[in-house]
Amino acid sequence: DSGVTQTPKHLITATGQRVTLRCSPRSGDLSVYWYQQSLDQGLQFLIQYYNGEERAKGNILERFSAQQFPDLHSELNLSSLELGDSALYFCASSASGASYNEQFFGPGTRLTVL
Amino acid sequence: GQQLNQSPQSMFIQEGEDVSMNCTSSSIFNTWLWYKQDPGEGPVLLIALYKAGELTSNGRLTAQFGITRKDSFLNISASIPSDVGIYFCAGQADYKLSFGAGTTVTVRA
Repeated sequence: DSGVTQTPKHLITATGQRVTLRCSPRSGDLSVYWYQQSLDQGLQFLIQYYNGEERAKGNILERFSAQQFPDLHSELNLSSLELGDSALYFCASSASGASYNEQFFGPGTRLTVL
Repeated sequence: GQQLNQSPQSMFIQEGEDVSMNCTSSSIFNTWLWYKQDPGEGPVLLIALYKAGELTSNGRLTAQFGITRKDSFLNISASIPSDVGIYFCAGQADYKLSFGAGTTVTVRA
C-alpha cells in the first residue's frame, strides 16, 4: 500500500459526459501528479500540482483540468468524454515538488467510456 | 515528452534465472526510477537512482544509473514466480516523469 488513495476504482460513463476523479496523497506529501495509462500510449504524464499550484504540464487535453485543494487532495476533471479517453488514470504523490523526488502511485481509476 | 526506449519488450524466464532489462534515452535525466506494475494495480517503486554511475540494490534487484545520464539497467537475480509483472523504467527531469513502454516478465516454474 503506497499510502496514495484514489476514488472511484471504476467508472463507466457515456460519451459527452463529465467525470471527476479524486486523489489523496500520502500523508505529508505536497506534490500530486496525474497520469493516464492506455494500451497504445503507455503511461503518460498529465499534470503536476505542488501545494495547491500547478507546477508542470504534460500531455493533458484542454477538455481535462485538475486542481489541488488546501487539504492537498486533488481532483482531475474530464469533460466531453470520448471513447478514446477510456484508460487507467493514476495519481502519484511525492514529498516536495523537486524534480528528483520519488513518486508513489495510487491504485488507479479505471475509466470506461461507452 | 522525452522518449525512453526500454528493452526487451517481454521475456520468459526460468525460475532461478537472472534477468536484465535496460532503458536508453536521447535526453539526460536527473533521476532514474524503476517500477513494477501488477495487473489492475498502480506502479510500485522498486529502486530510485539519483547520481550518474550510482549502483543501488534492493534485495534481489540491482539497478544502475548510466554515466551519461541517458540510460539505466535493472537486474533481477534468482527469479521467483512473484517476479511476474510489468517493469517500467522512468526518467525524471523538469518535474516530469517519462516512462518506458515496459518489460513484461513471465516466469516458467
